[in-house]
Amino acid sequence: QQQVKQSPQSLIVQKGGISIINCAYENTAFDYFPWYQQFPGKGPALLIAIRPDVSEKKEGRFTISFNKSAKQFSLHIMDSQPGDSATYFCAASLGGGNKLTFGTGTQLKVEL
Amino acid sequence: NAGVMQNPRHLVRRRGQEARLRCSPMKGHSHVYWYRQLPEEGLKFMVYLQKENIIDESGMPKERFSAEFPKEGPSILRIQQVVRGDSAAYFCASSPRGGFTEAFFGQGTRLTVV
Repeated sequence: QQQVKQSPQSLIVQKGGISIINCAYENTAFDYFPWYQQFPGKGPALLIAIRPDVSEKKEGRFTISFNKSAKQFSLHIMDSQPGDSATYFCAASLGGGNKLTFGTGTQLKVEL
Repeated sequence: NAGVMQNPRHLVRRRGQEARLRCSPMKGHSHVYWYRQLPEEGLKFMVYLQKENIIDESGMPKERFSAEFPKEGPSILRIQQVVRGDSAAYFCASSPRGGFTEAFFGQGTRLTVV
């Protein structure tokens, strides 16, 4: 009930391409869905977040698409760059709090 | 404004010893969260604290693990009688309040039990 399932586990994208990472959740009470970016040896950093009252949120090259009925949300990285190579985690929480349930992560590699 | 500071960055303990992990939140932040990240896995919530109070410890193992956030000083995650399975990266995050507010993560403490 508390799980967040994330796919794919790893992803290789050419520079300039679109990276797409998908997550699905079970608990319909979740109301806050952030995405985190983590570089090796560093802590996760908030990238972008969405609440279920909107279906899409865009910040620069990063877009979250949210499908409440399907209980799915995804991260799209447009014009992917080598500097985007990192591990990306989706997460969900109740009441917007920071007791987060994380997905298992996607290792993204952007090749030249 | 310094970020969330965790120390030590790396900690090696022998089985049966105690591990103490420290987390100094960002200035003005009174909410602290601890997470554990096992190799090749996502982060797992352990405990949520406010100054002098444990708000939610539903993710803490029942034995050997404890956490505190005193009125003065850093938050401490304490692991007694460590076992090999405790080897992981431990991250803390802090926020200025609860609810819809961003939490900032530290760089983590990597605990290795030998």
